[in-house]
Amino acid sequence: DIQMTQSPSSLSASVGDRVTITCRASQSIGSYLNWYQQKPGKAPKLLIYAASNLQSGVPSRFSGSGSGADFTLTISSLQPEDFATYYCQQSYITLYTFGQGTKLEIK
Amino acid sequence: QLVETGGDLIQPGGSLRLACAASGFTVSSNHMSWVRQAPGKGLEWVSVIYSGGERYYADFVKGRFVISRDNSKNTLYLQMSSLRTEDTGTYYCARGSGGNPWTGPNWFDPWGQGTLVTVSS
Repeated sequence: DIQMTQSPSSLSASVGDRVTITCRASQSIGSYLNWYQQKPGKAPKLLIYAASNLQSGVPSRFSGSGSGADFTLTISSLQPEDFATYYCQQSYITLYTFGQGTKLEIK
Repeated sequence: QLVETGGDLIQPGGSLRLACAASGFTVSSNHMSWVRQAPGKGLEWVSVIYSGGERYYADFVKGRFVISRDNSKNTLYLQMSSLRTEDTGTYYCARGSGGNPWTGPNWFDPWGQGTLVTVSS
């Protein structure tokens, strides 16, 4: 299996801050990396697919980068609605795996 | 849109069938997957059925869960048996996109609202 490790596990930030979340795969996965946002009691929502492609309807303050084994999700200017948990997910092999999540909290 | 049903309180060793009704697209023409989330924990992929029909399972459910679809009802199913307490959680269905009929999806969107399965005596 491919292990996905996110850092940090939790993060406190303020509205307007620039935030970066990192995801590292246990082996190279090319660009087969996706990012999801989940709010309490809600289903996950796709933000970024194939490492750097913004899903339709997602604000442009979200961006993704990376390839191989190291990836980042960046939120350029945090908005109140962005406080949530973020997950990365690899699709390089069919035994899909998610990172453990990064909980983004209000400072 | 995806709507899951079938979650319940079930005793260990029991069986349960989850359903995921789709609207706005055809289940049989898309990759479809189940992902679960234990209370307070992260996301865990469970199973996928390719548009081409191949099925794959996470090791922890292999031999116990079966994914299937009913084209006439445009519905995805997850038949769960030999349930364990560690199977407790919210089960989401999701449409897979990207890839091709033989290599499976590359990402999951949209997701249903989830259905809660509680395995406890």
